[in-house]
Amino acid sequence: NAGVTQTPKFQVLKTGQSMTLQCAQDMNHEYMSWYRQDPGMGLRLIHYSVGAGITDQGEVPNGYNVSRSTTEDFPLRLLSAAPSQTSVYFCASRERTGELFFGEGSRLTVL
Amino acid sequence: GQSLEQPSEVTAVEGAIVQINCTYQTSGFYGLSWYQQHDGGAPTFLSYNGLDGLEETGRFSSFLSRSDSYGYLLLQELQMKDSASYFCAVSRQAGTALIFGKGTTLSVSS
Repeated sequence: NAGVTQTPKFQVLKTGQSMTLQCAQDMNHEYMSWYRQDPGMGLRLIHYSVGAGITDQGEVPNGYNVSRSTTEDFPLRLLSAAPSQTSVYFCASRERTGELFFGEGSRLTVL
Repeated sequence: GQSLEQPSEVTAVEGAIVQINCTYQTSGFYGLSWYQQHDGGAPTFLSYNGLDGLEETGRFSSFLSRSDSYGYLLLQELQMKDSASYFCAVSRQAGTALIFGKGTTLSVSS
């Protein structure tokens, strides 16, 4: 099993560009989520999903969109990137309860 | 809303014992988890408390008091490799979002 796979690992964008961070898990987990991590701010929840077709906002959802068309995939879309979105992004999944499994992270720089 | 408070930094020497506290305020509470993150890496699960009391996993233990909205992570026989960031996290209900604290950076010296 690959676990949680995120792509790309590194990305540089210009202000105003759009992009999608991909996240896939092969553990048949119901729950998937996206976090951003900035120095001194811990892990802040952006969006999460409790199953295919169901998404909800987290603590810092502005500027990000998500969808969950399959159990396996949970992409995060930046429609118009801003320098404030420079961060490390982590995707994570778990069964309904229990341990949260994280991907290796996607490091995004917006110039 | 939800908030979690934990110390930003803790220092200790090899072989010592260190306790990282976490206090939380949430509108509902299902459980308290602890995660470890080494520099540049992904967070990894350490421990979970759903009920009051102590959970032990090797050198690591975690404690929860629901009535005090308080928990801690206890690390014994510290090793250099324990230098990392430690996060507490709470969920309000089963199957819902996990909210993290800002993390505690533990530095272990020889």
